[in-house]
Amino acid sequence: AQTVTQSQPEMSVQEAETVTLSCTYDTSESDYYLFWYKQPPSRQMILVIRQEAYKQQNATENRFSVNFQKAAKSFSLKISDSQLGDAAMYFCAYRSSFPNYGGSQGNLIFGKGTKLSVKP
Amino acid sequence: DGGITQSPKYLFRKEGQNVTLSCEQNLNHDAMYWYRQDPGQGLRLIYYSQIVNDFQKGDIAEGYSVSREKKESFPLTVTSAQKNPTAFYLCASGTGVGGELFFGEGSRLTVL
Repeated sequence: AQTVTQSQPEMSVQEAETVTLSCTYDTSESDYYLFWYKQPPSRQMILVIRQEAYKQQNATENRFSVNFQKAAKSFSLKISDSQLGDAAMYFCAYRSSFPNYGGSQGNLIFGKGTKLSVKP
Repeated sequence: DGGITQSPKYLFRKEGQNVTLSCEQNLNHDAMYWYRQDPGQGLRLIYYSQIVNDFQKGDIAEGYSVSREKKESFPLTVTSAQKNPTAFYLCASGTGVGGELFFGEGSRLTVL
């Protein structure tokens, strides 16, 4: 079974600075998707960035970028020029590319989250 | 606009009562999911459905039931058998293969 681990329950960053959130995962599959979701106090889950495992190039979305290390099964999120609105829970998530593989049926498997605080 | 609608946003229940949480999507997605979120636990899968009239148990299905009679709808019933139902519930939908899941705004259930 696949697992996702976020080892940092809480992180803090100064406004305008850069912060990196860590995520590791375990899988025996070769093709899958990885995501970072943001959950602000409103509790709406918002997709921040996605990475397809077969793509070697790291995904980037404006101030958000990832460092995807497939062999090491590592998927960290870097937030540049942090803003007050970035304060939220961040969840790393895994999704198989093959819905019927291992009974996962396309489910998202989440880490326990990292609470990010942004100091003005 | 396309999206997922969950209702109600807040719900209070007395012990011993069943309650049903609604989830409707107009994204034409085949797959729908129910997650439970507790502090420090991340999101845990309750039930999922890949196609109409079919659904499967997730990791914590005990005390819950679902139906999938229409592609757009996937209601979750929290039964009196659920021992600790107070939680935040999130519904999601997605395509059957890969890609991200889209989430509703969630429902907060409190047992009095």
